[in-house]
Amino acid sequence: DIQMTQSPSTLSASVGDRVTITCRASQSVNSWLAWYQQKPGKAPNLLIHKASGLESGVPSRFSGSGSGTEFTLTISSLQPDDFATYYCQQYNSHPLTFGGGTKVEIK
Amino acid sequence: EVQLVESGGGLVKPGGSLRLSCAASEFTISSYSMTWVRQAPGKGLEWVSSISSSSAYIHYADSVKGRFTISRDNAKNSVYLQMNSLRAEDTAVYYCARCSGGTCSSSGALDIWGQGTMVTVSS
Repeated sequence: DIQMTQSPSTLSASVGDRVTITCRASQSVNSWLAWYQQKPGKAPNLLIHKASGLESGVPSRFSGSGSGTEFTLTISSLQPDDFATYYCQQYNSHPLTFGGGTKVEIK
Repeated sequence: EVQLVESGGGLVKPGGSLRLSCAASEFTISSYSMTWVRQAPGKGLEWVSSISSSSAYIHYADSVKGRFTISRDNAKNSVYLQMNSLRAEDTAVYYCARCSGGTCSSSGALDIWGQGTMVTVSS
């Protein structure tokens, strides 16, 4: 099984900050990597597909990069609506696996 | 609006069974592979099972293999998860999700999610 490791697990930041979250895979997932945002009590929402593809309707301040085993999600200027938990997920092969999550908190 | 709506969750005793349903609207599931993902209280996301558009390919997490069965009825535009021999550790919100590509692997990020249905396994 492919293990996905996210860091940090918690991140404190202020509105306007540039934020970067890292996701590492235990083996190559090529570019089959997605990022999701989840707010309390809500379902996850797809932000980025295929490592760097911005999902329709997602603000351009979100961007993804990487391939193989190292990936990053960047929020260029953190907005109040962005305080949430973020998950990476590989869909290179079954079993599909998620990272442990990164909670972005208000500093 | 394109959406998925889950139902069938509830409180069940250990060893009991439940059948979850996921109904799609404003799109036809016959063109998509579908997935169930769960989230235990206060925990992260865990993939449970996937089914291809024609039901030819089915995958399960080791944690549910032999106890859960995924199925679909394209005519009813619905996906199901039959859960047997339930354990306390199966307590979670269960989400149904659409795989955006033809399959859930090597093309299909989870682009549409339902609101989730809560399953509680407790005596």
